[in-house]
Amino acid sequence: DAMVIQNPRYQVTQFGKPVTLSCSQTLNHNVMYWYQQKSSQAPKLLFHYYDKDFNNEADTPDNFQSRRPNTSFCFLDIRSPGLGDAAMYLCATSRAGTDPAYGYTFGSGTRLTVV
Amino acid sequence: DAKTTQPNSMESNEEEPVHLPCNHSTISGTDYIHWYRQLPSQGPEYVIHGLTSNVNNRMASLAIAEDRKSSTLILHRATLRDAAVYYCILRPGTYKYIFGTGTRLKVLA
Repeated sequence: DAMVIQNPRYQVTQFGKPVTLSCSQTLNHNVMYWYQQKSSQAPKLLFHYYDKDFNNEADTPDNFQSRRPNTSFCFLDIRSPGLGDAAMYLCATSRAGTDPAYGYTFGSGTRLTVV
Repeated sequence: DAKTTQPNSMESNEEEPVHLPCNHSTISGTDYIHWYRQLPSQGPEYVIHGLTSNVNNRMASLAIAEDRKSSTLILHRATLRDAAVYYCILRPGTYKYIFGTGTRLKVLA
């Protein structure tokens, strides 16, 4: 089945140690998103790629970066994780956004713990 | 971006219908109404979407007010597996979902 896969499902990292989360998709969707979801909160959009174009949300900290080397893969890099960055990180994809009837497909998420 | 307002939580008995409301008074004419749900420790999953007319699929029904300022997601017979957070999201011509707070549905056996 076509899907969005996030690896790993659980990640433990040390305070201040760079960490990378990965997302891959077999849907050939041209838009990929990263959301941060803290406990009991709604997902918060960090940034997205429309094809190769990177679009950052205004309130996303500089500590968060992203790379998209090809259509299928997208990475979330946290340069110096703090305790406040512990969260579930969700990757999602969608087709070109001119059709607002079309929805997103989400991965199962990566739960990040910072120790 | 147009915003949605949902009750924080609702309860339902198993096998009973559930009506989950959503207010979106600032909706524009081209905004689609999408509903997703998020099971514990999972990513959100698509439930249903609509523009003006009521919609039905195998999971749920979506009733949209005539003025489109509100909508209701209807689960016809709630099961324990329907316990989740339900998000009502407006999808504008841009391609960004902005999530509201959602409704946490508790289903009682």
